[in-house]
Order: sequence, then structure tokens, then C-alpha cells
Amino acid sequence: GENVEQHPSTLSVQEGDSAVIKCTYSDSASNYFPWYKQELGKGPQLIIDIRSNVGEKKDQRIAVTLNKTAKHFSLHITETQPEDSAVYFCAAVDSLDSNYQLIWGAGTKLIIKP
Amino acid sequence: DTAVSQTPKYLVTQMGNDKSIKCEQNLGHDTMYWYKQDSKKFLKIMFSYNNKELIINETVPNRFSPKSPDKAHLNLHINSLELGDSAVYFCASSQPGPSRWEQYFGPGTRLTVT
Repeated sequence: GENVEQHPSTLSVQEGDSAVIKCTYSDSASNYFPWYKQELGKGPQLIIDIRSNVGEKKDQRIAVTLNKTAKHFSLHITETQPEDSAVYFCAAVDSLDSNYQLIWGAGTKLIIKP
Repeated sequence: DTAVSQTPKYLVTQMGNDKSIKCEQNLGHDTMYWYKQDSKKFLKIMFSYNNKELIINETVPNRFSPKSPDKAHLNLHINSLELGDSAVYFCASSQPGPSRWEQYFGPGTRLTVT
């Protein structure tokens, strides 16, 4: 089955700098990769996703890149702000699972230093 | 308007007790989920219901039983609570079809077993 690894587990950046979180997956047939943001005391919220037919997707300060050959995808946050502090999860769809359940990474705690 | 709601938000109970967590969504989604998030923030899917039918049943103890009276509600009942059940439990929902991986999460229920 699919396995998703996420790095780093904790990332601390200065406000205004960029942050990059990386994930690798094992199933070359996976074709959907979402990123969720979990703020303190709340449930995860989808912030951006990418499908395997594109290499990059942007939404304002957030971008996701996908390298299908290397089987890794990354979340890029530019001009970080205090409200970006949260735990970020990547996920991938296990296409071998008939129920197509999301396989989640372990999460990255992003800390924005003022 | 609240999209996915859970009650209670906090639940403190003793080992051996039986408890329930309620979940309701007003998004009109056909699929609902229960996730467990441990102290290290790792998300693990427990159950999924599609139109009141169980479609995912991960390797969780049979002390956990999901109950769906209708497609807007998915409750989680836990028998004979153990210390290891302490975690945050999230309910989520999604539409079937191409959007089924866009999951909307509730605020979570923090369960503490003493």
C-alpha cells in the first residue's frame, strides 16, 4: 500500500521568509496530493491540492510542486506571516485501495518567529 | 454557519466506561469519517460511512462502533474505555466522486481516559 513520509517534523522560520515542507510517497500510481493546515484547537483544513497531470499549482502565497519521477511533492509558503503558524499535513491517495482513502503524512509544525 | 460540528468538545472519563461522541454535518455530503489523532499529531482514519453504509473499517478494536442514523450524522460509541483511547477524535465529511478527497473536518473532541 501507499506510504507517505513528511519532513521536517518541525520548521521554524523568520516572519517574511519562505517555508518549504516536503513529502515523499511510495505508490507511483497515486494521482492526488492534498495539503491540509491544522490550527491550534481546530480540525485540519484543505488549503491546496495537486493532481498528477500538473507539476505546480499556486494560490497567492502558497504553492505546491510535484515531481512524479522522484515521487515527491512540496508545499511552499512565501512571505510567511504569524497566521501561517500551524501543523501542516500532506496526503496521497492510495490507488490500490478500492476505497481510495487518503494516506497522511506525520505532519510538520511550522513556527513563524516575529 | 457550522459545517461539521462535534459534541462534546472535551470528554474526561474513567477506564471501563462507555461514551459516545456525536457528529453532524450540514453540507449535504454523502460520506462521513472518523479520525483519531494521537499526542504526536498523527492522523489515522478509523471509519468511513457512505450513505449510511460502512465502506472503510480500519483495524480498530471492536470496542469502537460507528452509528449513522442518517447521512447528516455519524456518531462514535466507545465501550470499555482504555487509557490508550485518549486522543483527539475528528469527524469529517466529503462528497462522493471526484471531490471525495476534499474532506471537511469538525473541531475535534479531546477524549481523556483516566
